[in-house]
Parts: sequence; structure tokens; C-alpha cells
Amino acid sequence: QKEVEQNSGPLSVPEGAIASLNCTYSDRGSQSFFWYRQYSGKSPELIMFIYSNGDKEDGRFTAQLNKASQYVSLLIRDSQPSDSATYLCALYLATGFQKLVFGTGTRLLVSP
Amino acid sequence: NAGVTQTPKFRILKIGQSMTLQCTQDMNHNYMYWYRQDPGMGLKLIYYSVGAGITDKGEVPNGYNVSRSTTEDFPLRLELAAPSQTSVYFCASKASSSSYEQYFGPGTRLTVT
Repeated sequence: QKEVEQNSGPLSVPEGAIASLNCTYSDRGSQSFFWYRQYSGKSPELIMFIYSNGDKEDGRFTAQLNKASQYVSLLIRDSQPSDSATYLCALYLATGFQKLVFGTGTRLLVSP
Repeated sequence: NAGVTQTPKFRILKIGQSMTLQCTQDMNHNYMYWYRQDPGMGLKLIYYSVGAGITDKGEVPNGYNVSRSTTEDFPLRLELAAPSQTSVYFCASKASSSSYEQYFGPGTRLTVT
């Protein structure tokens, strides 16, 4: 089983809709979870960080963490064409000295 | 602050050639990382460093070497380039063990033919 799993997509949503991106992980000891956005040909940029069970909101973005079920999700409200990108889920393993492990990413397409 | 800078932006190597990818950060960060990203894939850790003089292997270190003689610089050396090393290489840095955000450089796109 991969340490971090994501559906590669593409996930297509119309402008103004809610986009829901999901990620599951295998290491029960992982404590810190991240969502990075990566535009084509660019480097990843951090958009959300969550370490407690429940929801964390930042503007149009909400990260949800469920450690018992080992999944983390990202909701994007009022999706805009500019949100079209690949979203990478990442986590720090419980062991492994501050090393991020990334999923393969989900490609999001927001159509006008 | 320039943040994390990488050179070159693009490079084409022939099989068996060697090169060094440069990475510099001006944020006085202790932690630095090298990742590679193959098409349609996530990032895989090659090497990392927790401070000057201290480096360690990540998931995919074979075919690469690193050094960290200063806080600012973390070069990645490719010896005997192979087609399997065709990838985009990202350098990243993080302030300390208690900080969580890694800041990424713009990447180097390497093709080995």
C-alpha cells in the first residue's frame, strides 16, 4: 500500500461549484498533513496545513482530517478557473525525521 | 529576499555525463531538501540536510550525491547521467525542526538522452 494515495483525476467541476479532493494515508502515526497546489510547470505552493481532527477553514479552502479513518480532504468553495491545477496531498511520517511524503496529486479542472 | 533559487532552469545531458544542480536559499533555513518529480507523479525525496555538514538519504538517492558546506547552498551532483534521471528537480528549505512549511525553488527540468 502506498503511504499517500490520491485519485489522479482529472476532477472536473463548473465554476462556482464545490470541488472535493481526497487523500488516504497508511501511517497511523502521521501527525501533520498538507495540501499543496501546483500549476503546470511551476513549483508546489502550500495552501493548507492541518494536524487536528476536524475542519480547518481558510477563505474558500477547508481541510478536513479524520485520523481514525486515515483520510484528509480539501474542499474548495466557489471554484474558479484559476483554481485549475494539480493538488498534492503530503504528510510527515511518524518516523523519518521531518521528511515530507507526497501523493501523486489530483488534477482539478474548473470550467467557466 | 529571493527565497529559494535554482540553476539552471533547463538542461539536456548526454548519457554518462555529469552535472551539478545548484540550490541557494537566503532565508537562513537549516533544513534543505532535494526532490524529483516525474511526469504525472508526486515528489520523491532524493536527499536532505538538517544543517551545514549534515546530509542524509531520502527515498531515491541512487545516482546522486550532495554536500552542504554552508547554510545557504545545497548542490545536487549527478554522476554518470542515465535516461531514468530525466525529471524535474525541486529544491526546498524549511526554517527548523519546529516549523512545518517547506519553501520550494522554481525547479530544474533535466533531460538525459
